[in-house]
Amino acid sequence: KAGVTQTPRYLIKTRGQQVTLSCSPISGHRSVSWYQQTPGQGLQFLFEYFSETQRNKGNFPGRFSGRQFSNSRSEMNVSTLELGDSALYLCASSLSTGPTDTQYFGPGTRLTVL
Amino acid sequence: QKEVEQNSGPLSVPEGAIASLNCTYSDRGSQSFFWYRQYSGKSPELIMFIYSNGDKEDGRFTAQLNKASQYVSLLIRDSQPSDSATYLCALLSGGYNKLIFGAGTRLAVHP
Repeated sequence: KAGVTQTPRYLIKTRGQQVTLSCSPISGHRSVSWYQQTPGQGLQFLFEYFSETQRNKGNFPGRFSGRQFSNSRSEMNVSTLELGDSALYLCASSLSTGPTDTQYFGPGTRLTVL
Repeated sequence: QKEVEQNSGPLSVPEGAIASLNCTYSDRGSQSFFWYRQYSGKSPELIMFIYSNGDKEDGRFTAQLNKASQYVSLLIRDSQPSDSATYLCALLSGGYNKLIFGAGTRLAVHP
């Protein structure tokens, strides 16, 4: 079974631009979560989608948004990029069966903001 | 106080030894705990999960959970140089797949 895929793998943008990242979950997984990883803050939860609905959201500004499609693929968007948005963006998918569920991460998208 | 605390390391152990990685958490209501391994430049890889007090073994790995003392640990037996990585402890917070991660412990296994 194929794992979680993310595109693109690398992105370079300039301040003020916007960016869209894509995530395809493991086949059969309906939940997609997004995380940001930086050297200073570590891994932080952005949001989670299930059946095209955002069920949970982390403590990030409104510039960070996402959506999920009917095939469970998900996108996240960051508008008005800031230098501090440079990070590894990871998505993780799960079956979402409850508190014993496990999340599997994709390879990530490395975003550099200049 | 951070929700999940880990010693950043590095923890250095000789090849063949037991590596012991520890994690404490502040939310007494937390139920589900996970250990991920992350090699430099790669994404986190799930090693184990544990929900019940006690020990859970999987190959060379043993996870231990003590909810009364609010700590989780990971033991790696017969450590190999290929185990050198950052180990991330995480807990499920508030349902709906929100994982809270510790800062990670860097493990170095030397021949």
